[in-house]
Amino acid sequence: AQTVTQSQPEMSVQEAETVTLSCTYDTSESNYYLFWYKQPPSRQMILVIRQEAYKQQNATENRFSVNFQKAAKSFSLKISDSQLGDTAMYFCAFGSGTNAGKSTFGDGTTLTVKP
Amino acid sequence: DTGVSQDPRHKITKRGQNVTFRCDPISEHNRLYWYRQTLGQGPEFLTYFQNEAQLEKSRLLSDRFSAERPKGSFSTLEIQRTEQGDSAMYLCASGGVAQYFGPGTRLTVT
Repeated sequence: AQTVTQSQPEMSVQEAETVTLSCTYDTSESNYYLFWYKQPPSRQMILVIRQEAYKQQNATENRFSVNFQKAAKSFSLKISDSQLGDTAMYFCAFGSGTNAGKSTFGDGTTLTVKP
Repeated sequence: DTGVSQDPRHKITKRGQNVTFRCDPISEHNRLYWYRQTLGQGPEFLTYFQNEAQLEKSRLLSDRFSAERPKGSFSTLEIQRTEQGDSAMYLCASGGVAQYFGPGTRLTVT
């Protein structure tokens, strides 16, 4: 079974600064996907970024980028130029290559962006 | 398309009652997933459908829980004889590799 660990329950960052959220996972599979989801307060969860395990290049989406270290089973999220709207719970998730939609989630990191 | 919708958004029920939730996925998505999320934790997988076929159920899904997707479109999740431990947010998602989540149904069992 896969496990996903987010060791930072809460983090805060000043507006316009950069913050990195950590995630580690454990799996015996070689083909899989990793995701970061954002869940704003009282709003629905949305996908921020995803990474295919077979790709060495780290995924980027505008201000969001990941540092994928496959051997270390580490998948951190970097948010650059933080904005107040980035305040949310962030979940790291693992999806098997055979059914990526059936995801295993970490317990989340609550990020607060301060003005 | 307006995304994944769920109804109701909130449900308060008394212990022992039955409840049913509905999920309408994005129309072109064949796969539909149900998750449960308790406060302070990430979502936990419950079950998923490929079209109308229920292909996998988690051990979290006791025999009091049943899910259907009769025509491969919307899905329902029913909980019979609710218990206080069933209080949670029930999330529906559709898609393949990238999942699109609905707003969830928050269940409170008193």
